[in-house]
Amino acid sequence: GQNIDQPTEMTATEGAIVQINCTYQTSGFNGLFWYQQHAGEAPTFLSYNVLDGLEEKGRFSSFLSRSKGYSYLLLKELQMKDSASYLCAVRDSNYQLIWGAGTKLIIKP
Amino acid sequence: DTAVSQTPKYLVTQMGNDKSIKCEQNLGHDTMYWYKQDSKKFLKIMFSYNNKELIINETVPNRFSPKSPDKAHLNLHINSLELGDSAVYFCASSQGTSSSGANVLTFGAGSRLTVL
Repeated sequence: GQNIDQPTEMTATEGAIVQINCTYQTSGFNGLFWYQQHAGEAPTFLSYNVLDGLEEKGRFSSFLSRSKGYSYLLLKELQMKDSASYLCAVRDSNYQLIWGAGTKLIIKP
Repeated sequence: DTAVSQTPKYLVTQMGNDKSIKCEQNLGHDTMYWYKQDSKKFLKIMFSYNNKELIINETVPNRFSPKSPDKAHLNLHINSLELGDSAVYFCASSQGTSSSGANVLTFGAGSRLTVL
């Protein structure tokens, strides 16, 4: 079967750095996405990786290793508003998006 | 100026009833989707339409029927509601189909359905 694994919950301190990992086993690979979802709201797009390496976008960076079936989302200079769930999703060989359950990130002052 | 809007935001109803959720996007996107997010927070694709044509129809009960009158609208009708249908239903849209480039999804705010 197809599987996306992420930690259920993480806690970090305001101003610090946090890395949220995602490992996947899917039928083929056609890109990996990270979305942010605040409680009770819609998911919003953060990043897309299709080649190995690091993609940087302001305070957020996303890394991909296709050979390891692994990605991480790195959040720097954490702010209270970064408290949210972070969803990892992989597009498989049929171009279907397979979603992880998300990592709930709690930021403490 | 809402990009993807869905109504109602909350829906509480009895088992056995029939209900509809409406979705509209003003982004000019060609593809629209319905997702179900259950209590474990997994997002599961239910349907996808491209220019009013059904392109994805995952294994959902046939009590669920999508209708796309035009490419800006994708409504979801549910017959004979069951307790297990309680979830948050998200409408989404994208510029192209799932095989085109990054194909970023823009989601609506969600419709929380509670079946009693």
